[in-house]
Amino acid sequence: GQNIDQPTEMTATEGAIVQINCTYQTSGFNGLFWYQQHAGEAPTFLSYNVLDGLEEKGRFSSFLSRSKGYSYLLLKELQMKDSASYLCAAWREGGGADGLTFGKGTHLIIQP
Amino acid sequence: DAGVTQSPTHLIKTRGQHVTLRCSPISGHKSVSWYQQVLGQGPQFIFQYYEKEERGRGNFPDRFSARQFPNYSSELNVNALLLGDSALYLCASSLQEVVLEAFFGQGTRLTVV
Repeated sequence: GQNIDQPTEMTATEGAIVQINCTYQTSGFNGLFWYQQHAGEAPTFLSYNVLDGLEEKGRFSSFLSRSKGYSYLLLKELQMKDSASYLCAAWREGGGADGLTFGKGTHLIIQP
Repeated sequence: DAGVTQSPTHLIKTRGQHVTLRCSPISGHKSVSWYQQVLGQGPQFIFQYYEKEERGRGNFPDRFSARQFPNYSSELNVNALLLGDSALYLCASSLQEVVLEAFFGQGTRLTVV
């Protein structure tokens, strides 16, 4: 079976840094995706980690530890537009879309 | 370039009815996947089609079916609708069967009353 856990809701201040954690338990793990989803909109791809370590993309970074079944998304210099849900998704080997399991999402609220 | 387009954007149906949702992938993308997202939850995988063949099926009843056409567009059909089928139905397209980066459409909001 597969299990993805992430916090339901987080609050942070504009200009600050926030870290959203995700733990997973999945057989045949192949990689970890992060998506951003604004209310009423489609998820948009943020990052993908296969190997252990940090992947940086501008204000967004994602980290993976395969041995610990753990990932985090780091958002720097927070802006009001970053208020959204952040979805962690584990991808198991096989490669097809049926191997992609999403967490419930973390609702991030940015305060002025 | 047009992204993934889905139609209709909103739909209200009565219990027991049938519904067909449509998706056009990004030009050149051959893989289409369907997801159901209930409010407050993450997307749940329903089907993947690649080159017009079913390549994956999630844990959904047989009331759910799909197909992919020669132009790679896809339809999701749901029969005998239940109240619990009310959700946002997302279509995602990717270039290859291996889903390294999926691009989602805006979704179809289905309400069953």
